[in-house]
Amino acid sequence: KAGVTQTPRYLIKTRGQQVTLSCSPISGHRSVSWYQQTPGQGLQFLFEYFSETQRNKGNFPGRFSGRQFSNSRSEMNVSTLELGDSALYLCASRPGLAEYQETQYFGPGTRLLVL
Amino acid sequence: TQLLEQSPQFLSIQEGENLTVYCNSSSVFSSLQWYRQEPGEGPVLLVTVVTGGEVKKLKRLTFQFGDARKDSSLHITAAQPGDTGLYLCALSGSARQLTFGSGTQLTVLP
Repeated sequence: KAGVTQTPRYLIKTRGQQVTLSCSPISGHRSVSWYQQTPGQGLQFLFEYFSETQRNKGNFPGRFSGRQFSNSRSEMNVSTLELGDSALYLCASRPGLAEYQETQYFGPGTRLLVL
Repeated sequence: TQLLEQSPQFLSIQEGENLTVYCNSSSVFSSLQWYRQEPGEGPVLLVTVVTGGEVKKLKRLTFQFGDARKDSSLHITAAQPGDTGLYLCALSGSARQLTFGSGTQLTVLP
């Protein structure tokens, strides 16, 4: 079974631009979560989607948004990029059938550099 | 907000040595997970501990959950270069949102 895939793997943008990242979960998984990883703040939760609905959101500004499609694929968008948005963005999927005791499977991430 | 602190932040050891990394919480947690992240990859789950005092072993890795459910440790015996990576603990009370510690960057030198 294929793992979680993320595209693109690397991205360079300039301040003020916007960016869209894509995540394809493991087949059959309906929950997709996004995390931001930086050297200073570590791994921080952005949001979770299940059946095309955002179920949970972390403490990030409204410039960070996402959506999920009917095939469970998810996209994350960051508008008006700032230098501090440079990070590794990780996507994780799980079946989504239970709130507890489900393993999150992470993709390799998209490395975003904002210049 | 429940915080997780990991120590040490960095650890560099020789192949064959033993090591322990720690994860401490500001309050009691229901369950905790340990992950390892290698360069260019996402974190991979190693173990979930849910019971106070619980000890789990995964080959040369031993995970322990404190009796008071506020701390956990990961002990690696006879470390190998393949153990190199970022070790993360995470609160897993709800699978919807993981709260990660700051991580321990381990380097095992041949």
